Formats: sequence, C-alpha cells, structure tokens
Amino acid sequence: IAGITQAPTSQILAAGRRMTLRCTQDMRHNAMYWYRQDLGLGLRLIHYSNTAGTTGKGEVPDGYSVSRANTDDFPLTLASAVPSQTSVYFCASSDSASGANVLTFGAGSRLTVL
Amino acid sequence: GEDVEQSLFLSVREGDSSVINCTYTDSSSTYLYWYKQEPGAGLQLLTYIFSNMDMKQDQRLTVLLNKKDKHLSLRIADTQTGDSAIYFCAEGGSSSASKIIFGSGTRLSIRP
Repeated sequence: IAGITQAPTSQILAAGRRMTLRCTQDMRHNAMYWYRQDLGLGLRLIHYSNTAGTTGKGEVPDGYSVSRANTDDFPLTLASAVPSQTSVYFCASSDSASGANVLTFGAGSRLTVL
Repeated sequence: GEDVEQSLFLSVREGDSSVINCTYTDSSSTYLYWYKQEPGAGLQLLTYIFSNMDMKQDQRLTVLLNKKDKHLSLRIADTQTGDSAIYFCAEGGSSSASKIIFGSGTRLSIRP
C-alpha cells in the first residue's frame, strides 16, 4: 500500500539521549515535512524539504535536524532530547507542481522524554 | 506571521449539522484546507477550496469561504458517530514549495 511509514510508533527516551525518527515514502513525492502535534497547539512545522538534497526550517526547528539524501527518506534527529520535545511527530509528503498542496501523513511517532 | 485559529471543542447531537469555524490571517493564501484526524491516526485531507471560490460542496460537506473577513467554515450535514474526530483548518499557497499552516484543531464529539 502506497504511503508513508514512520518508525518507531512509540518511544520513551531519557533526557540527553540522541534519537532519530524515521520516515519513508513510496509515492516519489518531491516534498517532505516534519510536524509536531501538541494539545491545544495543533500541528507546528519543524523542518521541511522541497526536494532531495535540500532542507529548510519551519516554525519550531530548534533542537531538531533533518537530512534528505534521497527522495524516499526524511529522518528527524533529536541530538540531545529534552522533556519539552515530548510530543507526537508526524511526517508528511506532497507533490504538486501547481495547484493545491495536498499533504499525505504518516500515522505518527509518539515520543516521551523523561 | 501567519496564524490560523479555531475553537478547540464542538459537541453536536447525532443527525444535526455541525459547523466548524476557522479564521486565518494570511490574505495571500491560495488554498484553504480541511483535514480530519481520527484517534491514533495521522491527518487525512477532507476537502480544500481555492481562494477565489465562495463555496464548495462535496456530499455531506459544505465549505464556505469569506475572503474579506478571512473566515472559513466546514459544515457537516446529518452528523454521524463516525464523524467524531479532530478537524484541522489549514492555509497555504500553491505547489509543494509552499508551507501549510495548521490551526489548533477542533475536536468534534457526537451526542446520541
């Protein structure tokens, strides 16, 4: 089934540890995004990539890094996790040269930092 | 900066119509979107409207856009228990190079 695969589904992490959330898509979409979802705050964009080899910062990029070595993969790394990074993380992709920019979302990764 | 606002909760009786409202600040937004999130899942696109349209209807869903007031609404006719979810309003430009800004989401609960 075409779509976005995120891993892990859920993770509990000690503060200060390094963590990478994985995201893979098989739709050959050119753009990919990472959002975090927090109660009452909706979805906030962390980082994005318009095409393989390029990345950009979103609204809340501090403490996170991304890479886009190829079209399919867009991992999100927390170099040294802090409790405020406890959240549900969603990866998304889209492919629109023009017209509506419709995002396809993964199922999410729930991260708890203690 | 860009901002999208919506109320956090809405409770509706089964069979009634639900109306979820949203306001946005970026007058240059080309498209306005509604996404639905069911428990434990990612967001899925419900519908979207181009900024030069006033209304879009798709089966039980009606989207109204007042561009002058920067107000967007989603009406769900004959609300069913399966409509229980969080509904997100979002704005953005055209093409995948434009960022999508989401509201905080409105949790719709259905009363029997």
